[in-house]
Amino acid sequence: DTGVSQDPRHKITKRGQNVTFRCDPISEHNRLYWYRQTLGQGPEFLTYFQNEAQLEKSRLLSDRFSAERPKGSFSTLEIQRTEQGDSAMYLCASRREVDAEAFFGQGTRLTVV
Amino acid sequence: AQRVTQPEKLLSVFKGAPVELKCNYSYSGSPELFWYVQYSRQRLQLLLRHISRESIKGFTADLNKGETSFHLKKPFAQEEDSAMYYCALFTSGSRLTFGEGTQLTVNP
Repeated sequence: DTGVSQDPRHKITKRGQNVTFRCDPISEHNRLYWYRQTLGQGPEFLTYFQNEAQLEKSRLLSDRFSAERPKGSFSTLEIQRTEQGDSAMYLCASRREVDAEAFFGQGTRLTVV
Repeated sequence: AQRVTQPEKLLSVFKGAPVELKCNYSYSGSPELFWYVQYSRQRLQLLLRHISRESIKGFTADLNKGETSFHLKKPFAQEEDSAMYYCALFTSGSRLTFGEGTQLTVNP
């Protein structure tokens, strides 16, 4: 599969623990996005990278959330001190700079217990 | 600020009937609009985009700037069209903003 891949697919964690998710975009895509999706809602934008630079962050992204894309390839999203309200599907998407179509990964489903 | 509204969370039609999924947007600039579809247990995938003016799987959508709408239509729905449909707006800030989605069910 040469599409966007995310790891892990599922994560169950106890409240207060830290979690980290990984996204591998399509190789020639220099733009990478993180979204969060809860039941019955559309994907909500979290943050966006162009190469290694984080260009935009949503107000949804509290101080407990941090994202990196150190070499402009894969990206990680870390949530510190998880709360039950963090339970959601976390989606990654990538696209080429010249093309507006974004390709999505299958997501990481986080459950905080 | 940009916003996408899909007024119907659920839509149910019979096979062979026409279907229209509504989408309205608000954005002060020149919009690029998309429809994404998510079939059961599959990832979000692009269905169509307004600038290509294609028909994919029999679906079409026309951008109406006067009404700020981008409704998705299909003249004869099929059972395999049952899925979650999201309208999305791409803005100059490079952000893709999604509506809340419409769950389409096509009954036999």
